[in-house]
Amino acid sequence: EAQVTQNPRYLITVTGKKLTVTCSQNMNHEYMSWYRQDPGLGLRQIYYSMNVEVTDKGDVPEGYKVSRKEKRNFPLILESPSPNQTSLYFCASSPPGRGLYDTEAFFGQGTRLTVV
Amino acid sequence: AQSVAQPEDQVNVAEGNPLTVKCTYSVSGNPYLFWYVQYPNRGLQFLLKYITGDNLVKGSYGFEAEFNKSQTSFHLKKPSALVSDSALYFCATDNDYKLSFGAGTTVTVRA
Repeated sequence: EAQVTQNPRYLITVTGKKLTVTCSQNMNHEYMSWYRQDPGLGLRQIYYSMNVEVTDKGDVPEGYKVSRKEKRNFPLILESPSPNQTSLYFCASSPPGRGLYDTEAFFGQGTRLTVV
Repeated sequence: AQSVAQPEDQVNVAEGNPLTVKCTYSVSGNPYLFWYVQYPNRGLQFLLKYITGDNLVKGSYGFEAEFNKSQTSFHLKKPSALVSDSALYFCATDNDYKLSFGAGTTVTVRA
């Protein structure tokens, strides 16, 4: 089954404790990205990757890091989480081409992160 | 920058009645517009897209959307709503290798 898998689904952590949210897709997609969803703001892009070893900032990259060492994996790293990073996070991937211009994006089920 | 707006936070309809979820866009050039749906505790699912061509786009689950260039709108419609259509709906546009989303509209269909 074609899917984007995120782990963990739920996470409660303390301020300053480094964490990683994993994302893996089995569709051989080149393009992957991370979004955060906050009430009233919709989804905002954090980082994206056009291919292995190619990453770039989205609209809200502060406080986050990513890496793309393999095509299927795109982990999101919070080096020192803060309470304002409490949010619902989504990983997405899409087929090769012009990014998301004319293809649908496939989303993971989300990771609900709480930083206390 | 390309953007979309959803003017309604919530839409409430009775089952069997028509459902409309509104979206307006601000895009230079030819717009690429999408609708996604999010069911509780689930990720976003693609419903439909407008790239070019016919102004009426048909998508999944009986939904369709009408592209209106003069009104810069891309409203999502369903002729007869179901209780199972209750979800959060997002309009989006492609914007330099990312999707720019509206704030979302919560649809509640009552039995």
